[in-house]
Amino acid sequence: DAGVTQSPTHLIKTRGQQVTLRCSPISGHKSVSWYQQVLGQGPQFIFQYYEKEERGRGNFPDRFSARQFPNYSSELNVNALLLGDSALYLCASSLQPHSSYEQYFGPGTRLTVT
Amino acid sequence: KNEVEQSPQNLTAQEGEFITINCSYSVGISALHWLQQHPGGGIVSLFMLSSGKKKHGRLIATINIQEKHSSLHITASHPRDSAVYICAVSGGGETSGSRLTFGEGTQLTVNP
Repeated sequence: DAGVTQSPTHLIKTRGQQVTLRCSPISGHKSVSWYQQVLGQGPQFIFQYYEKEERGRGNFPDRFSARQFPNYSSELNVNALLLGDSALYLCASSLQPHSSYEQYFGPGTRLTVT
Repeated sequence: KNEVEQSPQNLTAQEGEFITINCSYSVGISALHWLQQHPGGGIVSLFMLSSGKKKHGRLIATINIQEKHSSLHITASHPRDSAVYICAVSGGGETSGSRLTFGEGTQLTVNP
């Protein structure tokens, strides 16, 4: 079975632009989480979705939004990009959004904002 | 103060050495995770534990719930073990559900 997939792999955007990142979970996984990892730091939680509903949101501005589709894939949108949004964006999927379930990570999308 | 603290930040070892990475956390948790991240970014889960000790090959993870402390040990280290090792916790405190709160990571370099 395929693991978690993310697209695109790399992306370069200009300040003020908007970006959409995509994630497909492992087949059968209904929960998707998004994390931002700035160079040299550990990942930070952005969103968790389960059954198309937001189940948790980290300390990120409203410029960040996400959604989950009926096939459980997910998109992360970032508006009005800032230089500080440059990071590796990781998607993780799990069977359910409970702590007893292991999360599986995708390869990430590296976003560079110039 | 971060909810999850790791030490050391950087570790250089010679091939064959026994390695220990430490993780302390300050919140109640349901589980503690050890993950490995190679250059390029992909993260692989090594262990998920809520008590005691787990072993997989040359890797051993232990957790002491009372002391809120966990260790990751690598026996007979090899250059291919070079990576960033990250401790993360789920459940309890300011975390909820399965969302993970991560430490800063430990960069391990094993020289031949």
